[in-house]
Amino acid sequence: NAGVTQTPKFQVLKTGQSMTLQCAQDMNHNSMYWYRQDPGMGLRLIYYSASEGTTDKGEVPNGYNVSRLNKREFSLRLESAAPSQTSVYFCASSEFPWTGEGTGELFFGEGSRLTVL
Amino acid sequence: AQKVTQAQTEISVVEKEDVTLDCVYETRDTTYYLFWYKQPPSGELVFLIRRNSFDEQNEISGRYSWNFQKSTSSFNFTITASQVVDSAVYFCALSERGGGATNKLIFGTGTLLAVQP
Repeated sequence: NAGVTQTPKFQVLKTGQSMTLQCAQDMNHNSMYWYRQDPGMGLRLIYYSASEGTTDKGEVPNGYNVSRLNKREFSLRLESAAPSQTSVYFCASSEFPWTGEGTGELFFGEGSRLTVL
Repeated sequence: AQKVTQAQTEISVVEKEDVTLDCVYETRDTTYYLFWYKQPPSGELVFLIRRNSFDEQNEISGRYSWNFQKSTSSFNFTITASQVVDSAVYFCALSERGGGATNKLIFGTGTLLAVQP
């Protein structure tokens, strides 16, 4: 059972380049999320998708776009990378806990380490 | 607005000592969940526990225990007889029922626990 799979795991970009982080989950979860982790900042929510066909901004959406391609896949795009976007990116998925559909636990991918020079 | 504060940035203990990690949260919602996650040096995020706002019972799981007190808006985590394998960053997180049809988590900045042999 793969859970949440992110690609690539490592990437180095030059300022101004673009790239897409891919994420797929095989747990049939409705909700998916993108977080970034920076030293001393914890995990901050970039974008999330409550269900297929919907996306919403989180705490730090500037400089990013997302696509919920289908129920399984949720991609994060950097159109013009900046050094401030150097970070570790985590994709996650969950069920909706309030109606008893799940525990609400977020299942995380292994992370993608992005460096922007 | 929701917020999670982990005031302890780093803690260092000697093996077999007990250690408590503090978590204080802010929310206007009456229905919410609190979580703890562990991030070992390998980088993955490991779910430890979920507690809902209507259940103030303390929980014990082996050497781990959690103390939830709504009166002080705290959800503290104690490791008894710490071991080197407990060395990790520990994150406390909050999700609110009023957050919409999803379970987006707001994380604290984390506490780095170093257990010395």
